[in-house]
Amino acid sequence: QVQLQESGPGLVKPSETLSLICSVSGVSMSHGTHYWGWIRQTPGKGLEWIASGDKGGSTYYNPSLKSRVTMSVDTSRNELSLILNSATAADTAIYYCSRQLEDWGQGTLVTVSA
Amino acid sequence: DIQMTQSPSSVSASVGDTVTFSCRASQEITTYLAWYQQKPGKAPKLLIHSTSTLVSGVPSRFSGGGSGTHFTLTITSLQPEDLATYFCQQATTFPVTFGQGTRLDIK
Repeated sequence: QVQLQESGPGLVKPSETLSLICSVSGVSMSHGTHYWGWIRQTPGKGLEWIASGDKGGSTYYNPSLKSRVTMSVDTSRNELSLILNSATAADTAIYYCSRQLEDWGQGTLVTVSA
Repeated sequence: DIQMTQSPSSVSASVGDTVTFSCRASQEITTYLAWYQQKPGKAPKLLIHSTSTLVSGVPSRFSGGGSGTHFTLTITSLQPEDLATYFCQQATTFPVTFGQGTRLDIK
């Protein structure tokens, strides 16, 4: 059974970079043709899809975030990462990683504040 | 982007009742419509994909239907543990989009 666990700093200063890691266990990311992704959730905007990608490097981004976001899949570490540049208070959210939007991590709260 | 609109925003029902949630899309959904259940403090859990396919382990009292731009999630014989917020989601086209959710309270 696949398990996903997000990690990263819970507090980021405005204009700085938000970086998150999702550690995957129970399945090898180098096998199969799964899509991995990131989603965030806020009380105001609800659930917002950020990006999805596969082990081959094919990645799709939400156009609303594309200019600031990079997602990557590292099969050697069995993890995926998310980098969001120039963070603002509007990026304060619970961030989830996911396999195929079917299995989700427990989520990690990131607050953007000075 | 395809906008997903759910109604009602909240509903209160009793144990044993049947409830139906609505999800309307701003454009036709041709391939992938999913429903998630989110309990307080937890991550969303996939219940149904491809409009009506129940995920393994999900009770059969949950069912999905619809086509085109109108989709429904029905829960029969409501149980106390069904207290949650329910979201629809489309992945027919990028960007993937979610509805704003329907909160289900148990009387």
